[in-house]
Amino acid sequence: GAVVSQHPSWVICKSGTSVKIECRSLDFQATTMFWYRQFPKQSLMLMATSNEGSKATYEQGVEKDKFLINHASLTLSTLTVTSAHPEDSSFYICSAVPHLAIGYNEQFFGPGTRLTVL
Amino acid sequence: QKEVEQNSGPLSVPEGAIASLNCTYSDRGSQSFFWYRQYSGKSPELIMFIYSNGDKEDGRFTAQLNKASQYVSLLIRDSQPSDSATYLCAVNRQAGTALIFGKGTTLSVSS
Repeated sequence: GAVVSQHPSWVICKSGTSVKIECRSLDFQATTMFWYRQFPKQSLMLMATSNEGSKATYEQGVEKDKFLINHASLTLSTLTVTSAHPEDSSFYICSAVPHLAIGYNEQFFGPGTRLTVL
Repeated sequence: QKEVEQNSGPLSVPEGAIASLNCTYSDRGSQSFFWYRQYSGKSPELIMFIYSNGDKEDGRFTAQLNKASQYVSLLIRDSQPSDSATYLCAVNRQAGTALIFGKGTTLSVSS
C-alpha cells in the first residue's frame, strides 16, 4: 500500500511551452501533498505545499504564477510549469501525507518527473 | 534559516564494514528525523525514522539521535555494494509537515 505515482516520468519540451505534472496517491487519500525540486548534485528543496480544496502555499523564491499547483481531489495534485525555460530543467518529486493520519508522520514519495527544457 | 548539514562524501567502505553517516540540524524545534536512501535518478526511499533520543535499530541499520547536540546519525552494519547510494537526512517540526533535507552523503561500498 501507500503508493504515489507521477506522470509523466520524464518530459522534454521547448522553451516557452507549459508542462503539467500529475501526482496521484493510488491507494490512500492525501489531504496534503508536497512538491519538491532537485537539481543535479543538490538536495530536495520544497517548492510548495498543496492542500486539497485550497490554494497552495509556496516557499520563498518560488514564483506562484510560474508554478501553478492544483489539488482538486484527495488523490490528485498537479504542478504546471508555465513558460518553461532551460533553468527549470530539474527533477520534480511529489510526496503525499495520508488523510486523517493524525500524528502519523510518514509521507510517501512519488517516483519523480525529469523535466528537460531545450 | 533552518538547515540540515551532511558531509557530501564520498564515504568509501569495504564490503562487510560499518558505514557511519552523520547529520546536524539547526532548528531546535525539530521533532522527527528521517534517513532516506536515493539512487541516482530515483526518488528517495525511506530507511527509517527516529523521534526520541537514543538508538533505534532496524535490521542492519541503526539510527542515533541526540537532540541536545542537534545530531543524528545512521550506522549501516555489514555494508553491501547494493548500499552504494546517496543518503539523505531530513527533519520536520511536526507530523504532516514538509521535510527539510540535507544535501546527502554519497556512500560507496567496494566488494
